[in-house]
Order: sequence, then C-alpha cells, then structure tokens
Amino acid sequence: DIQMTQSPASLSASLGETVSIECLASEGIFNNLAWYQQKPGKSPQLLIYGASSLQDGVPSRFSGSGSGTQFSLKISGMQSEDEGIYYCQQGYKNYTFGAGTRLELK
Amino acid sequence: EVQLVESGGGLVQPGRSLKLSCAASGFTFTNYYMAWVRQAPKKGLEWVATISTSGSRTYYPDSVKGRFTISRDNAKSSLYLQMNSLKSEDTATYYCARHRYGGYSYFDYWGQGVMVTVSS
Repeated sequence: DIQMTQSPASLSASLGETVSIECLASEGIFNNLAWYQQKPGKSPQLLIYGASSLQDGVPSRFSGSGSGTQFSLKISGMQSEDEGIYYCQQGYKNYTFGAGTRLELK
Repeated sequence: EVQLVESGGGLVQPGRSLKLSCAASGFTFTNYYMAWVRQAPKKGLEWVATISTSGSRTYYPDSVKGRFTISRDNAKSSLYLQMNSLKSEDTATYYCARHRYGGYSYFDYWGQGVMVTVSS
C-alpha cells in the first residue's frame, strides 16, 4: 500500500498568516492527490484534486502544488473558518489518506 | 444540490452482520462510481469500498475484503454496504461518498455519516 505522511501533525496560525501543510507519498503518484478539510462533527469536504485543481466553491486562498511524491497545501491568509483537520489522499493505487494535520487559530 | 444520506448504523455484537444504506439525490446516480469511507473515533479516514456505475466492478482494501460487500440499486439511487463478521476494529463512522474515478481519483461529495459500534 502507498503510505501518505503528513506534516506537521498540528499547527496554529494567526489571522491573515500563510499556512503550508506537506504530504509525502511512499512512492510516486504523479499528481493523483486530493486535499480535504474536516471540521469537528462534520464530514470531510474536498478542497483540491489533481494536486492543484480547486474544487468548485472553495475559496481561492487555498492552493495545492506538487507531483511525484511531494505535495503541499497552502492557505494564503488564514481565516477563522479555516480551523479544522486537513487530510491528503492519494488516488493512484487504491486510496489512502494521510493521518491529518490539525490547524488552529492562534 | 448533491445529497447523500446514510442510514442503518447502530450497535452490533462482534461476529454479527449489519447493512448500511445511502440515499443519493441531486445528481444522475447512474453516471458515478460510489464509495464508502470510514473514520474510527478520533482517528483518520480509511477507504472501505468502491463500486462502478453499473455495479459490475467492486473494489476493497485487504482490511475488509471477503467480509464487506458494496452494492447499488440504480433504480432507487441507493448505495449499500453489507458488513459481515464484524470486528471491534470496524467501529467507526461510515461515510457514503461520490467517487470521481478515472485520471484523478477522489471523493467529491460526502454524506453526514452513520455510526457503527461493534461491541459485546
């Protein structure tokens, strides 16, 4: 199975700060990677697919980059509503998720 | 508006069976692969099963292969997950999700989830 390793496990950011979350695949997955946001008590919501394509309705402050084994999610200007847990997911061979990154407002 | 509504969860003893259902609306159900993804309490996400548009092809991870069966009724826009020989480690919230399958593979809409607790 392809393992997905996210870092950091948690972080806190101030309003307006730029945040980056990393995701490392145990083998190359081209750009077959998605990012999700999950708020407490809610189901996950798709943010990014194909490593860098923004899902309809997702604010443009979210962006994704990377290919092969290294990927990142960037939030350009932290907002209070961005608090939650962020997961990466590879879709190249079966479907595995990272362990998640908890993002809190400082 | 895409809606996915799960039902059928509850408390079940180890070794017993349970069947989950998901009612889909707001999109042409027959055009999409569908999936189940679960989340153990305070844990991350785990893909459980995927089914093709016609239902002729199904996919599972090793952790549930041979115990779980995904199926669909396109006439009713409904998705199902039959879970047999349940174990304590199957305790989780189970989400029904629309699976965008192809060049990029990801889950673009999710239901609210249904809790399954396996305990004696």
